[in-house]
Amino acid sequence: DAGVIQSPRHEVTEMGQEVTLRCKPISGHDYLFWYRQTMMRGLELLIYFNNNVPIDDSGMPEDRFSAKMPNASFSTLKIQPSEPRDSAVYFCASSLPGAVGEKLFFGSGTQLSVL
Amino acid sequence: KQEVTQIPAALSVPEGENLVLNCSFTDSAIYNLQWFRQDPGKGLTSLLLIQSSQREQTSGRLNASLDKSSGRSTLYIAASQPGDSATYLCVVNDYKLSFGAGTTVTVRA
Repeated sequence: DAGVIQSPRHEVTEMGQEVTLRCKPISGHDYLFWYRQTMMRGLELLIYFNNNVPIDDSGMPEDRFSAKMPNASFSTLKIQPSEPRDSAVYFCASSLPGAVGEKLFFGSGTQLSVL
Repeated sequence: KQEVTQIPAALSVPEGENLVLNCSFTDSAIYNLQWFRQDPGKGLTSLLLIQSSQREQTSGRLNASLDKSSGRSTLYIAASQPGDSATYLCVVNDYKLSFGAGTTVTVRA
């Protein structure tokens, strides 16, 4: 299995631009998580889906952030408009059916820099 | 709110020495606890998952223990190697995942 696949690996954009991050979970996993990692705040859960349905989006910092999961094999995290403080590494993770966080598998992350 | 603390924040040891990484959490009503390894610029790799009913898990040179009542988990890495240099994260699952800040390990050749 290829594991959780995220794209792009690196994204550099200017303040005010729209940014879309993509994630393909491991086939058969029905939980999908989006995390953000910064030096100051560590890893923060932004949102998670179960069977393509958003379950908890309380970690989404502002309305500028939105996430979708149109099908079991694809999810996007969009920031519109982007701001310099959004610069971070964004991770996608998926897990097997059963329970939240049952053996998480992480993607390699997207390093986002907003200038 | 679950608080997860990892001590020490950084650790440097000579090759061959055993590593002991500590994780403490404030709410003992957990579902499971997972240890991850993170290499610079890369994602997180799962090392060990301990269910709340278990006391320890072992994989090769790695052993993780769990004492739920005292809110502690310890990751032991035997006979450390330079390739073990990474950041190790503890993640507590009480139906919401809480991450420790990590312990950055450097193993000197």
